[in-house]
Amino acid sequence: GAVVSQHPSRVICKSGTSVKIECRSLDFQATTMFWYRQFPKQSLMLMATSNEGSKATYEQGVEKDKFLINHASLTLSTLTVTSAHPEDSSFYICSAGDRAGADTQYFGPGTRLTVL
Amino acid sequence: GQQLNQSPQSMFIQEGEDVSMNCTSSSIFNTWLWYKQDPGEGPVLLIALYKAGELTSNGRLTAQFGITRKDSFLNISASIPSDVGIYFCAGPISSGNTPLVFGKGTRLSVIA
Repeated sequence: GAVVSQHPSRVICKSGTSVKIECRSLDFQATTMFWYRQFPKQSLMLMATSNEGSKATYEQGVEKDKFLINHASLTLSTLTVTSAHPEDSSFYICSAGDRAGADTQYFGPGTRLTVL
Repeated sequence: GQQLNQSPQSMFIQEGEDVSMNCTSSSIFNTWLWYKQDPGEGPVLLIALYKAGELTSNGRLTAQFGITRKDSFLNISASIPSDVGIYFCAGPISSGNTPLVFGKGTRLSVIA
């Protein structure tokens, strides 16, 4: 149980294009999901909290107009990187707790974004 | 803000040896989590600790939650090549389905 999937696993795009990354909870419902970013040889850094049916909350320094988050159902959150630039190249990982009030988070396999 | 200080940053060990890594914080955490991350993959939960002083095992892995809730260690016994990866300690920012703050990780290399 508590499986989180992400799609795509890797994507290469040209500078200026937009990329959508999906995060799905496969065997549980998640009213809240979290998006992290990880640069090479660094730890995970929280980008935003995705809330089902309401606006996402973003961490300081993360541009909400650049990283659009939509959490339209209890099993799906999407992160869209708009007008991507090479500095947006990173490993994007989502997570979710498998029940209300859960402290334990389960992570997706990540999406490697490379912007040329 | 809350920070987790993880050590060592990296370890090179011989196959079969035991490994110990730890994590400390100046803040109290209600839950302490240990994850392993393989290259190009997301973190996988190894052990979750919920009670101060709790000692929990998962196969060859053993972790303990400090009495003060400000520290934890993870031990791996009889290491094998597939133990290679980055081990992270993490704790929730607050209670109840909140994001995690992560340590900087311990990179483990196992020499066969």
